[in-house]
Amino acid sequence: SQQGEEDPQALSIQEGENATMNCSYKTSINNLQWYRQNSGRGLVHLILIRSNEREKHSGRLRVTLDTSKKSSSLLITASRAADTASYFCATDGTSGSRLTFGEGTQLTVNP
Amino acid sequence: DAGITQSPRYKITETGRQVTLMCHQTWSHSYMFWYRQDLGHGLRLIYYSAAADITDKGEVPDGYVVSRSKTENFPLTLESATRSQTSVYFCASIGGNTEAFFGQGTRLTVV
Repeated sequence: SQQGEEDPQALSIQEGENATMNCSYKTSINNLQWYRQNSGRGLVHLILIRSNEREKHSGRLRVTLDTSKKSSSLLITASRAADTASYFCATDGTSGSRLTFGEGTQLTVNP
Repeated sequence: DAGITQSPRYKITETGRQVTLMCHQTWSHSYMFWYRQDLGHGLRLIYYSAAADITDKGEVPDGYVVSRSKTENFPLTLESATRSQTSVYFCASIGGNTEAFFGQGTRLTVV
């Protein structure tokens, strides 16, 4: 089964609002990453957070990691229509770089 | 051109035929991966490789074969295609910082 599970499955917001997506995973990890996928395209890396980090920022992105709850959240601030995409979390286990993905959150930002 | 490329981009094949999807990366990344993505779902790991001549099964390996005789190439073969293998297939590679780079995908239809 998938290592990561995103919540919600779908999210629709207005431009300018913040979007929060959550990810839960099952086993110990080295890193957790977030990727974005535009319709019909490959995935693009957004941000990586290591297991010993609790929060990380990159531009309008903020990622948090709670290893005790095995969960992470991705916050996109001041969303834009161009942020419309699917967002996936991915984890690699402590035994190596086997990268596994969750089911994703479909974000729609309405102009 | 530097990057990771998949070929073909689109393929229609008949049930029972053998088909090979190609993946080539120019960075000499050690790790390479094959995923399948079914409509509206996340990525499921088929096979991965830690280096040339080292491959391992992922979540859904049945019906697929991989090889990695050269670091830069990681072909995926469907030995006898079935309709359930209709999907979009993504190849990815990982360098030193664990960020994965994805190809554009191969959309495979088995009729």
